[in-house]
Amino acid sequence: AQSVSQHNHHVILSEAASLELGCNYSYGGTVNLFWYVQYPGQHLQLLLKYFSGDPLVKGIKGFEAEFIKSKFSFNLRKPSVQWSDTAEYFCAVNGGYQKVTFGIGTKLQVIP
Amino acid sequence: GAGVSQTPSNKVTEKGKYVELRCDPISGHTALYWYRQSLGQGPEFLIYFQGTGAADDSGLPNDRFFAVRPEGSVSTLKIQRTERGDSAVYLCASSIRQSNEQFFGPGTRLTVL
Repeated sequence: AQSVSQHNHHVILSEAASLELGCNYSYGGTVNLFWYVQYPGQHLQLLLKYFSGDPLVKGIKGFEAEFIKSKFSFNLRKPSVQWSDTAEYFCAVNGGYQKVTFGIGTKLQVIP
Repeated sequence: GAGVSQTPSNKVTEKGKYVELRCDPISGHTALYWYRQSLGQGPEFLIYFQGTGAADDSGLPNDRFFAVRPEGSVSTLKIQRTERGDSAVYLCASSIRQSNEQFFGPGTRLTVL
């Protein structure tokens, strides 16, 4: 069975600080990996995804994530956060036929 | 519209009642998914349709939960004899076949009193 672990449940940063949200997964085979974001009052939307190829993936709004197979990790990063990045971030893994497992989520609060 | 839509946006019901939640996927998306998100948790997979058939219903918690997609487009999630523990946001997502990128709807917030 696949599972996802997000290490930080609540992160508070000042604007312009750098961000790294941890995500580890467990699955024995080939995986697809995702980060979804949910802004306040909005529905889940895809931030970025990794299917294959370059393990450094760039997404929308300056976010990127690196797939490190040996560590079963897919950490999300952004060099300089903005107040508008305040949201909840979910890491997700898809190791089978379309079934996606989500992590518990990390709430990011950016202070102006 | 261009996105996934779900109705109703909010549903309040009493324990023991029957409810139906509807999902309209993006036009042309053959795959449709239902998730449940409880407070403080990530979305939890319930069931996945490919076309009209349920390809994976391993996430349905018990036989009170059932979902259909009779024409391969709109789907209805049905919950019988609702319990207070069923209170959650029910999310629907759709994707193009062979693509794993899922597009989510706004969800239906179900409250069982």
